[in-house]
Amino acid sequence: EAGVAQSPRYKIIEKRQSVAFWCNPISGHATLYWYQQILGQGPKLLIQFQNNGVVDDSQLPKDRFSAERLKGVDSTLKIQPAKLEDSAVYLCASSLDVRLAGSSTDTQYFGPGTRLTVL
Amino acid sequence: SQKIEQNSEALNIQEGKTATLTCNYTNYSPAYLQWYRQDPGRGPVFLLLIRENEKEKRKERLKVTFDTTLKQSLFHITASQPADSATYLCALGLNQFYFGTGTSLTVIP
Repeated sequence: EAGVAQSPRYKIIEKRQSVAFWCNPISGHATLYWYQQILGQGPKLLIQFQNNGVVDDSQLPKDRFSAERLKGVDSTLKIQPAKLEDSAVYLCASSLDVRLAGSSTDTQYFGPGTRLTVL
Repeated sequence: SQKIEQNSEALNIQEGKTATLTCNYTNYSPAYLQWYRQDPGRGPVFLLLIRENEKEKRKERLKVTFDTTLKQSLFHITASQPADSATYLCALGLNQFYFGTGTSLTVIP
């Protein structure tokens, strides 16, 4: 079974530039998550999709971050314009279905992440 | 806001010993708690889930306890091996997921 794919793996940009990350979840997974992980910290949830609908985006800085999952499969996360404090690893994860939360099948599968450096 | 604290410092133990990692939380009562392993340059990998009505869960050399009165989970790795060296994250399941900062474990041969 193929895992969660993310691209690019690394990105270096100047502050105020734009950047986009792409995620392809595990086939058949309805729920997709984007996390931000700053060095030395745990992942912080930015946005959660169930199919192509947003379940939770309460921690997404909406003035500069946006995300979409138009066909309920792939997803893109965009930052425009980037700030120095956006330097982090952006992780994508998927799970079978958010309605299974807390069950024995409630497992999030993470991609390798995209390491963003803002100069 | 939810606060999740894991061992503040890195943990170094001798091979063969039992590693014990702590996860303390405040302000909320999670329905369940998960533990993940994260290696450098990789995403977290799920290890174990324990629900609020469960006291203990085991999987091979791993054991997790969940004390909702103390608001604490303990994660044990018995007969530790150098390959167990990694960062271990706890995550609380509420209306969304909240991760702790992680504990770096090094198992010394």
